[in-house]
Amino acid sequence: DQQVKQNSPSLSVQEGRISILNCDYTNSMFDYFLWYKKYPAEGPTFLISISSIKDKNEDGRFTVFLNKSAKHLSLHIVPSQPGDSAVYFCAASEGGSNYKLTFGKGTLLTVNP
Amino acid sequence: EAGVVQSPRYKIIEKKQPVAFWCNPISGHNTLYWYLQNLGQGPELLIRYENEEAVDDSQLPKDRFSAERLKGVDSTLKIQPAELGDSAVYLCASSHNSPHEQYFGPGTRLTVT
Repeated sequence: DQQVKQNSPSLSVQEGRISILNCDYTNSMFDYFLWYKKYPAEGPTFLISISSIKDKNEDGRFTVFLNKSAKHLSLHIVPSQPGDSAVYFCAASEGGSNYKLTFGKGTLLTVNP
Repeated sequence: EAGVVQSPRYKIIEKKQPVAFWCNPISGHNTLYWYLQNLGQGPELLIRYENEEAVDDSQLPKDRFSAERLKGVDSTLKIQPAELGDSAVYLCASSHNSPHEQYFGPGTRLTVT
């Protein structure tokens, strides 16, 4: 049973527009959430994270929103750039001394010029 | 700062043969992780090391997989014997002060024929 779900395998947006990537989770013990970006033939790269005590975290063009009651988080990229084209993985951990990250299956984002 | 180094990048072997992957984490990172990533899936943790101690190997199939991290720096992951279903990308990651923010290597793509 997947504890972290990314239900959209792919997303295509125009350059300059907003990209919204969604993630749902089922484990109520998760208290820290991350987004990783992955280019082909490279390992995932940490992008942005959010603790469960917050509902928003912003870093430049990237903002992550967390809705704990809905067990849902989203990553907003504004404005989207062609270089943002990659696979985006949502990940979660239970925090404390449990360092295990549980990943979703990823969403392939394509930003068209 | 050099990133996580993994070798080889690609490996093709016949089933029942042994194979080994090597990882050199970022200097100063005391926590090292090995992940398995199947096609179309997110990474799944196999084993986590704190220095030279394996503190979480609950997901490692111990009948055929083994790992070591001598001297708490480099690490080797071994499969013996390999099976067709082991074809995947094997990722190594490391972290220091923030265990949630893990830095990944490029991975080793294993093909078992």
